[in-house]
Amino acid sequence: QQKVQQSPESLTVSEGAMASLNCTFSDRSSDNFRWYRQHSGKGLEVLVSIFSDGEKEEGSFTAHLNRASLHVFLHIREPQPSDSALYLCAVASSGSWQLIFGSGTQLTVMP
Amino acid sequence: EAAVTQSPRNKVAVTGGKVTLSCNQTNNHNNMYWYRQDTGHGLRLIHYSYGAGSTEKGDIPDGYKASRPSQENFSLILELATPSQTSVYFCASGEGLNERLFFGHGTKLSVL
Repeated sequence: QQKVQQSPESLTVSEGAMASLNCTFSDRSSDNFRWYRQHSGKGLEVLVSIFSDGEKEEGSFTAHLNRASLHVFLHIREPQPSDSALYLCAVASSGSWQLIFGSGTQLTVMP
Repeated sequence: EAAVTQSPRNKVAVTGGKVTLSCNQTNNHNNMYWYRQDTGHGLRLIHYSYGAGSTEKGDIPDGYKASRPSQENFSLILELATPSQTSVYFCASGEGLNERLFFGHGTKLSVL
C-alpha cells in the first residue's frame, strides 16, 4: 500500500528565504502528486499538482518530482509570514482515485 | 470554483450518541470523500462515493457509515460515537482521474 512521508515535521524560515519541503512515497508507479496548504482552522488549499517528472511552477510554489528517487519537493520562493501553515503532500498510484496524504510539514515564516 | 460546504463546523457529542456530519457540493462532481485529520496521520480516508446511491469503504471505515442520497449531499454517520472519534473531519469532492479535490473547511468533532 502506498506510503507517503513528509519531512521535516516543522520548518522555520525567515521572510524571503527559500523554503523547501520534502515528500517521499513508496509506489514508483504513482502518477498524481499534489501539494496542499492548510491555514489553522481552515480547509485545505491546492497549491500545485504535478503528474510527470520535472518541475511545475504555480506562482511562488514549485513542485519538483523525481519518481526514480521516490521524492517530490515543494519549494516556496520568497515566503511571507502569511505562508505560515501546514503543508500536505498527497500521492495517488497510477489508475487510482484515492490520494494518500502525508502528515504534513508545519511551516513558520518569521518576519 | 466548486464549493463544498460542511455542517456543523463544530460538534460536541456524548459517548454512545449518534452523530451525523453533512456535506454539500455545488459543482456536480461525481466523487465525494470523507477524511479525518489527526496529528501524525495526515488525512485518512473513511468513506467515499462515486455518485448518488453509492458508498465505498475507505481505509478506516470501522465505526462510520456513509450516505449519498443525491449528487450534492454526502453524509457521515457515527451511530455510536466514541472518544476515539474525536477529530477534524473533512469532506471533499472531485471528478475523474487526475482530479483536483475541493475540500470543505472541516468539522471539529469532540466526543466526551
